[in-house]
Amino acid sequence: GQNIDQPTEMTATEGAIVQINCTYQTSGFNGLFWYQQHAGEAPTFLSYNVLDGLEEKGRFSSFLSRSKGYSYLLLKELQMKDSASYLCAVRDNAGKSTFGDGTTLTVKP
Amino acid sequence: DTGVSQNPRHKITKRGQNVTFRCDPISEHNRLYWYRQTLGQGPEFLTYFQNEAQLEKSRLLSDRFSAERPKGSFSTLEIQRTEQGDSAMYLCASSGRGQAYQETQYFGPGTRLLVL
Repeated sequence: GQNIDQPTEMTATEGAIVQINCTYQTSGFNGLFWYQQHAGEAPTFLSYNVLDGLEEKGRFSSFLSRSKGYSYLLLKELQMKDSASYLCAVRDNAGKSTFGDGTTLTVKP
Repeated sequence: DTGVSQNPRHKITKRGQNVTFRCDPISEHNRLYWYRQTLGQGPEFLTYFQNEAQLEKSRLLSDRFSAERPKGSFSTLEIQRTEQGDSAMYLCASSGRGQAYQETQYFGPGTRLLVL
């Protein structure tokens, strides 16, 4: 099975940089996803890593180390609208994804 | 709008009643997933279809839950004899025609169920 850990809450200041970590233990690995979820809404796709290294997409970057079972999501130039829950999800060989419980990020002025 | 759609968006029911939810995936997607999410937790996998075939079902899913995708397009999730613990957001996601492990899942807006 899969076990995914991420911090419950984080707070950061508008314009700053924040890093949200995710560690996982898995019996089969075929990629790690990050999703953003605003309160009361569905998750929206942010990034996908299957190989080690950094994937950059605008203000958001995601890093993966398969040997360490570790990923992080880096958010730069934080905006108030970035206040949301950020979900880490690991996919197994069959295509099924297991989600962490999410990190609630609060961006303050 | 060509995204994943779900109906109804909200459902309030009394304990013991049956409810049915519908999901329409992105039209070219052949995989469809159902998840359940409660406050403060991530989506929890319920079941998964490839075309009309139900390939996997969570052991967490009791016999009161059933899902179908009869023509490989839309899917329905039925909960029989609802209990208060069934209150949650039910999310549907779909993914495309490549290998399952290569695909991104795109979520619908969810159906929020409240069992009184």
